[in-house]
Amino acid sequence: AQSVTQLGSHVSVSEGALVLLRCNYSSSVPPYLFWYVQYPNQGLQLLLKYTSAATLVKGINGFEAEFKKSETSFHLTKPSAHMSDAAEYFCAVSDGSNYKLTFGKGTLLTVNP
Amino acid sequence: ETGVTQTPRHLVMGMTNKKSLKCEQHLGHNAMYWYKQSAKKPLELMFVYNFKEQTENNSVPSRFSPECPNSSHLFLHLHTLQPEDSALYLCASSPKIRTSEYNEQFFGPGTRLTVL
Repeated sequence: AQSVTQLGSHVSVSEGALVLLRCNYSSSVPPYLFWYVQYPNQGLQLLLKYTSAATLVKGINGFEAEFKKSETSFHLTKPSAHMSDAAEYFCAVSDGSNYKLTFGKGTLLTVNP
Repeated sequence: ETGVTQTPRHLVMGMTNKKSLKCEQHLGHNAMYWYKQSAKKPLELMFVYNFKEQTENNSVPSRFSPECPNSSHLFLHLHTLQPEDSALYLCASSPKIRTSEYNEQFFGPGTRLTVL
């Protein structure tokens, strides 16, 4: 069985500051890992995914995440936050099937001017 | 219309009502999904359809009844719901399942359901 833990339900940063959203997972099989973003009143949009290729994954809007097997982590980072990054971010793990996702509870990112 | 659309965007219903949620995808995909997003809980997969056939039912109560008449349309029929069913219901689609490659899911904006 898979599970995802997102540390911190709410993260607040200043515009221009580093964004770090934490995700730890457990999986009985080599995982596929994902970060999704949800803007207000919208569905989920895929930011980036890890599918066993390079451990440092670059996504859209300047985000990237690093897969660390020894730490069972897949933290999301962005060097400089922008006001438009304010949204809820979800980490998810796949069970090895090519469609079933287990999501974390989400982290709400607030960006202060 | 592009992507995945859902109607209505907001729905308020009493516990004795019958209503339906509609999802339509314009991406040429063959797999469609219903998810439930409740406050402070992870997204829950409810149903999966692949080429119009239901392949997944995650122990969803029978008061939720899905229907997939074709690969572009997915419905969720609702009857005698409970207040705890209030949530955001998200539809998603992907190229198809049961292949060797991961297939990305594209999400609609959701229907915000309130059960009184």
